[in-house]
Amino acid sequence: AQKVTQAQTEISVVEKEDVTLDCVYETRDTTYYLFWYKQPPSGELVFLIRRNSFDEQNEISGRYSWNFQKSTSSFNFTITASQVVDSAVYFCALSEAGSGGYQKVTFGIGTKLQVIP
Amino acid sequence: DAGVIQSPRHEVTEMGQEVTLRCKPISGHDYLFWYRQTMMRGLELLIYFNNNVPIDDSGMPEDRFSAKMPNASFSTLKIQPSEPRDSAVYFCASSSPLARVYNEQFFGPGTRLTVL
Repeated sequence: AQKVTQAQTEISVVEKEDVTLDCVYETRDTTYYLFWYKQPPSGELVFLIRRNSFDEQNEISGRYSWNFQKSTSSFNFTITASQVVDSAVYFCALSEAGSGGYQKVTFGIGTKLQVIP
Repeated sequence: DAGVIQSPRHEVTEMGQEVTLRCKPISGHDYLFWYRQTMMRGLELLIYFNNNVPIDDSGMPEDRFSAKMPNASFSTLKIQPSEPRDSAVYFCASSSPLARVYNEQFFGPGTRLTVL
């Protein structure tokens, strides 16, 4: 069974600080996908990134970066120089790959990030 | 291109009433998902469809919940009778394996349901 753990339920930082959101996953598959979604106060879920299990390269997109480490089953998300607009709930998710079609996506409980001006 | 459309955005009803939530997936997407989000349980998958056919409804909490997808552009989630513990945000999402990001799901804005 697949499982996603986001141990940090709430984090508060002051604007311009860096912040890292932790994500630890469990799966028995060797091929899988990891995701991060953002849910701002308006409520919609916004896709941020997908990473497949064969690609351990870290990724940077502007102020966002992701650190994927298979050895520790972690897929952490760092926001550099945080801004008030980053305030949201962030979800980490895992999907096991299959022979085709949809494979169930399991979401973590979410980490609520508050950036204080 | 319009995203996933859900209606209503907010619904307040009394216990025992029937509630119908609606969803229009992104055109061309062949998968549709219904999720429920609560503080206690996070985001739970209730049911999903592929080509209008229900594939897995193991997440549906009980017989009071039912979902249909009569065509590729419309789905409903019905709760009858509703109970206060059904209060949650219900999301609809759609996906296509042909999408650029495999298994990426596109979420609607959600329906916030309050059962008094």
